[in-house]
Amino acid sequence: DVKVTQSSRYLVKRTGEKVFLECVQDMDHENMFWYRQDPGLGLRLIYFSYDVKMKEKGDIPEGYSVSREKKERFSLILESASTNQTSMYLCASSVGLLGELFFGSGTQLSVL
Amino acid sequence: AQSVTQLDSHVSVSEGTPVLLRCNYSSSYSPSLFWYVQHPNKGLQLLLKYTSAATLVKGINGFEAEFKKSETSFHLTKPSAHMSDAAEYFCVVSDYNNNDMRFGAGTRLTVKP
Repeated sequence: DVKVTQSSRYLVKRTGEKVFLECVQDMDHENMFWYRQDPGLGLRLIYFSYDVKMKEKGDIPEGYSVSREKKERFSLILESASTNQTSMYLCASSVGLLGELFFGSGTQLSVL
Repeated sequence: AQSVTQLDSHVSVSEGTPVLLRCNYSSSYSPSLFWYVQHPNKGLQLLLKYTSAATLVKGINGFEAEFKKSETSFHLTKPSAHMSDAAEYFCVVSDYNNNDMRFGAGTRLTVKP
């Protein structure tokens, strides 16, 4: 069974903290994505990666960075967390860049 | 630029009655279209996808969608709602020519006993 695993289901952080969200996939997919989900806005793409060490900005990259040192792992980094980054974060992987996405269960991040 | 509009933010039906979740898209070229479902506290799961083959697409759990190019629509239907269908549903359009994928804002489906 295909699997995308996000390390934390719920996370509470303080303003200004550095935050790491981890995602691991076991399907040998080339492409991995980080989305942010907010009510009424659907999913918005933060960053994606089409290969190890490669990354591309999505629609809302400001305040975020990413790291992909191994094919199976894609990390989202909030360098200095702010309250407006409180949200649900979803990781996904895919074979093709525009094909079916396989999602993790999400990380609900609260920044206080 | 392409876009997706889900016409209802919330739909409520009674168990056993039909479900209709509406999606309109705009795309310069022939798009691929998807419906995903998200149950509470879960990630998104693919329900069905259209990729320029048959215009009527059948998905999992009895759902289907019809691609209507003239109406730029891809509405999701199910003949008879089940309590387990209560979830949020997302319509997605992919445009290979623009290398772009867009999500709709989502429709929350409530199923009443």
